[in-house]
Amino acid sequence: GIQVEQSPPDLILQEGANSTLRCNFSDSVNNLQWFHQNPWGQLINLFYIPSGTKQNGRLSATTVATERYSLLYISSSQTTDSGVYFCAVRTSGTYKYIFGTGTRLKVLA
Amino acid sequence: NAGVTQTPKFRVLKTGQSMTLLCAQDMNHEYMYWYRQDPGMGLRLIHYSVGEGTTAKGEVPDGYNVSRLKKQNFLLGLESAAPSQTSVYFCASSLGQGEGQPQHFGDGTRLSIL
Repeated sequence: GIQVEQSPPDLILQEGANSTLRCNFSDSVNNLQWFHQNPWGQLINLFYIPSGTKQNGRLSATTVATERYSLLYISSSQTTDSGVYFCAVRTSGTYKYIFGTGTRLKVLA
Repeated sequence: NAGVTQTPKFRVLKTGQSMTLLCAQDMNHEYMYWYRQDPGMGLRLIHYSVGEGTTAKGEVPDGYNVSRLKKQNFLLGLESAAPSQTSVYFCASSLGQGEGQPQHFGDGTRLSIL
């Protein structure tokens, strides 16, 4: 089955710094989502981005489907950005989403 | 608009007991999913449903059963709970399979099996 790898596994930033999180996948996908799991465990939709680039405030994401990766950019990080960031992918012809193991981000004040 | 609601939020069971987790969505979504999340890991799909009256197995279905008798509800059952089923369980729903139809998640159920 498809493999999803996220890097880095852990990241510590000072408030105000920028960061890039990466999601690599081993097969073609027709659905890719980025989620933020906050310290209370809630999963928050960030982007639905099977291809192209999207921006939402300080966050943006780019998926290059032909090269099988997606990037999540966080600019001017804040302590509320702390948590775990997951990407999840689905391949054509299936209903199953496969999650990566996540990037754990801690933003220090 | 409540979105996806999971009941209960917390539960402690003894080995061998049974229980049912309830997921309800008010978005008229066709697809519903049950996942489990273990420490330090991403979510793994247990079972899913693509419409009322349908269910299918995901990555880790053993020890669980599901039912989708009504479109808005998706039930996850543990017939004989085992300590290995201690986990956080998430339910999700989506409108369908096409473009621009992301999954929406409930807040999770934290289940401990003693």
